[in-house]
Amino acid sequence: GAVVSQHPSRVICKSGTSVKIECRSLDFQATTMFWYRQFPKQSLMLMATSNEGSKATYEQGVEKDKFLINHASLTLSTLTVTSAHPEDSSFYICSARSGGLPPLHFGNGTRLTVT
Amino acid sequence: GQSLEQPSEVTAVEGAIVQINCTYQTSGFYGLSWYQQHDGGAPTFLSYNALDGLEETGRFSSFLSRSDSYGYLLLQELQMKDSASYFCARRVVTGGGNKLTFGTGTQLKVEL
Repeated sequence: GAVVSQHPSRVICKSGTSVKIECRSLDFQATTMFWYRQFPKQSLMLMATSNEGSKATYEQGVEKDKFLINHASLTLSTLTVTSAHPEDSSFYICSARSGGLPPLHFGNGTRLTVT
Repeated sequence: GQSLEQPSEVTAVEGAIVQINCTYQTSGFYGLSWYQQHDGGAPTFLSYNALDGLEETGRFSSFLSRSDSYGYLLLQELQMKDSASYFCARRVVTGGGNKLTFGTGTQLKVEL
């Protein structure tokens, strides 16, 4: 149980375009989903907390207008990287929780490359 | 403060025991988790300590001492497949709810 599906797994886009990443909880309802970014050989950095039906809470230093998060249902959250630039190239991972305690269940991540 | 510090790399031989330490800042502490991540993959949950003491799950055990702001992950009977990055993580409670903050990560290399 507790499977989180993330798509796409890899995407290559040109600078200036937008990319949408989907995160779905397949067998449970996730009132809260989290979006992380991870650069090579580094830790997971929380970008934002996504609550169903309300605005996302962004971490300090994360641009809200650049990383648009939508959590329209209890099983789906999307992250849109707008006007992507090469420095946005990274591994983006979503996660979801079915209750208040650990564990978090992670998607398989999206490798974004902006050329 | 919410930072969690780990050694960056640990190397051990197959069959050995290895301990990965994690120190954290005390403010607003609600428990310590451990996750494993293979290259290019998703983090997977290993263990969680809400209270002091040792939690054992097969070859993996995790320990917490809240008075020392310290925890560790113990891996026994190391196998080559255990080569991965290991992260401690703490639950942070804010006005917006719970979130998980990850440590700096430890890359474990298991050698023959």
